[in-house]
Amino acid sequence: GAGVSQSPSNKVTEKGKDVELRCDPISGHTALYWYRQSLGQGLEFLIYFQGNSAPDKSGLPSDRFSAERTGGSVSTLTIQRTQQEDSAVYLCASSPGLAGGGDTQYFGPGTRLTVL
Amino acid sequence: SQKIEQNSEALNIQEGKTATLTCNYTNYSPAYLQWYRQDPGRGPVFLLLIRENEKEKRKERLKVTFDTTLKQSLFHITASQPADSATYLCALVLMEYGNKLVFGAGTILRVKS
Repeated sequence: GAGVSQSPSNKVTEKGKDVELRCDPISGHTALYWYRQSLGQGLEFLIYFQGNSAPDKSGLPSDRFSAERTGGSVSTLTIQRTQQEDSAVYLCASSPGLAGGGDTQYFGPGTRLTVL
Repeated sequence: SQKIEQNSEALNIQEGKTATLTCNYTNYSPAYLQWYRQDPGRGPVFLLLIRENEKEKRKERLKVTFDTTLKQSLFHITASQPADSATYLCALVLMEYGNKLVFGAGTILRVKS
């Protein structure tokens, strides 16, 4: 089937506006992750959904960031009152949710966010 | 503090040679370690996983080692090709946090023909 998809691929917004980024995971994958990657940097963990468990929000940098996962499938990452430092590529990944450490992640192409 | 360190400088090698990339970590106790490849403008792609009780793992031209005493993983690409040019990321699997991955910043590999 299709891989992880994200939309939009690019988003340019003005400082102070709200943005929503969408992720469609691979069908059947119970785990979904959001990461942020700044230019030349590694992946910064933001939030993790696993099945019906409470999400792990420990990586969200501020209360301007929130995410939802509806029906165990599609996820939306919302950034309120965007700041210039929010400019980055936002990557979504999903995984089958296998027990043990052998659960590998499948990444989408990312959304490049530019805050002017 | 907890850190994952990968070669910060790009690795430039000649086609046909073996590329060796390093991943060092401190104050983590991962049960598993994964390596991913990332091409410009794309998301990372999984390559290999190695468990803490495995010293070495191979897949075609790729070889990964995992030394939990040294807290280090080495990633080797033998008979390197220009198509191997990419950024390579190591990731620690933290099972105590629900299999959360913690990524290094990655190493850029450039293979010249």
